[in-house]
Amino acid sequence: EAAVTQSPRNKVTVTGGNVTLSCRQTNSHNYMYWYRQDTGHGLRLIHYSYGAGNLQIGDVPDGYKATRTTQEDFFLLLELASPSQTSLYFCASSEQGDTEVFFGKGTRLTVV
Amino acid sequence: QQQVRQSPQSLTVWEGETAILNCSYEDSTFNYFPWYQQFPGEGPALLISIRSVSDKKEDGRFTIFFNKREKKLSLHITDSQPGDSATYFCAASASSGSWQLIFGSGTQLTVMP
Repeated sequence: EAAVTQSPRNKVTVTGGNVTLSCRQTNSHNYMYWYRQDTGHGLRLIHYSYGAGNLQIGDVPDGYKATRTTQEDFFLLLELASPSQTSLYFCASSEQGDTEVFFGKGTRLTVV
Repeated sequence: QQQVRQSPQSLTVWEGETAILNCSYEDSTFNYFPWYQQFPGEGPALLISIRSVSDKKEDGRFTIFFNKREKKLSLHITDSQPGDSATYFCAASASSGSWQLIFGSGTQLTVMP
């Protein structure tokens, strides 16, 4: 089974701070994604990538940067964190765009 | 705008009953519809999926009914069990152009013993 590992699992930061969320997948999937999950909104796509060095913009990209350094590793960067970015963040991967998506366990980020 | 809508927001059924979760979409190019199940503290996991060439997909106690003309689908969980208590997300994507997987806001299902 595909494994997607996120770190840290919990993070508290101050407004204006820098945060990096990390994700690694071990099944050599082409596609990787960052979602945020908020009550009433389901899962919303922030950024995604279909290979090392590739980056695509999702539905809610404002305030976020992402980098795909290798096939396995995908990072989400918040350079000036705001309270509105308090959320549960999920990293995910899939072999193709319309195949099963495997999710990590999530990172709960709180911006105070 | 919400391209994928789910109802109800929450649903409670008794053990053994059939739970019906509804989903509708707007984009007529959507042709892949997975349902994801999420337990507290976990990421969503694929439960069952259907492509628009089919009108029904069964997997054990879980069945998707799909109506392309009305742009609606539903997930039926027969003989519901307390272990089915979870949040269920309907999602949709198109295989051409931007294939982004768009999620609905979810239905929280509680199965009472």
